[in-house]
Amino acid sequence: GDSVTQMEGPVTLSEEAFLTINCTYTATGYPSLFWYVQYPGEGLQLLLKATKADDKGSNKGFEATYRKETTSFHLEKGSVQVSDSAVYFCALSDSDTGNQFYFGTGTSLTVIP
Amino acid sequence: GAGVSQTPSNKVTEKGKYVELRCDPISGHTALYWYRQSLGQGPEFLIYFQGTGAADDSGLPNDRFFAVRPEGSVSTLKIQRTERGDSAVYLCASSSFRGNNEQFFGPGTRLTVL
Repeated sequence: GDSVTQMEGPVTLSEEAFLTINCTYTATGYPSLFWYVQYPGEGLQLLLKATKADDKGSNKGFEATYRKETTSFHLEKGSVQVSDSAVYFCALSDSDTGNQFYFGTGTSLTVIP
Repeated sequence: GAGVSQTPSNKVTEKGKYVELRCDPISGHTALYWYRQSLGQGPEFLIYFQGTGAADDSGLPNDRFFAVRPEGSVSTLKIQRTERGDSAVYLCASSSFRGNNEQFFGPGTRLTVL
């Protein structure tokens, strides 16, 4: 069935460091891919998405490219800030298998000054 | 408000009791989802409504769990004979359409079963 495998954390980086959080997926159809972020004490928020192969989603300096050949959707940011400290979830939605989202286990990021 | 709201924010109950968790979706959103998030895990799908009907309830863990959406807006997740293993954060999300559209999440209800 459909699933998402996400890089385990926690991840601790210094401010201005480069961030990569790996995400790979398994899907029977042609899924849309998402990154959600959960800031401390807040609910899940959509960070970015990509709906087809080779699409790049971007927001707030974060980027992820939908790679069908490697079934990946890695999240990257060139220079992290303390305010980026949060838990990041990779997710997919596959119209072939229904209406639910499949989430990864989440990666906790802490950015230190 | 403009977002998805959930009440209560926290619920503590005793094993064997009945609980109801409420979700108020974004106005006009026809699709509504319930998820359960255990500590250190990502959200896991429970049930999906399109309008008033449960279009997919394959994620409900057993028959102690039930959800309704009688008027196609507010939804209630009901858990009978609660068990300690039911302790989790229950998330509600709504979407303007089924499938691959963005889901907007509420803040969740933290359920603790003692």
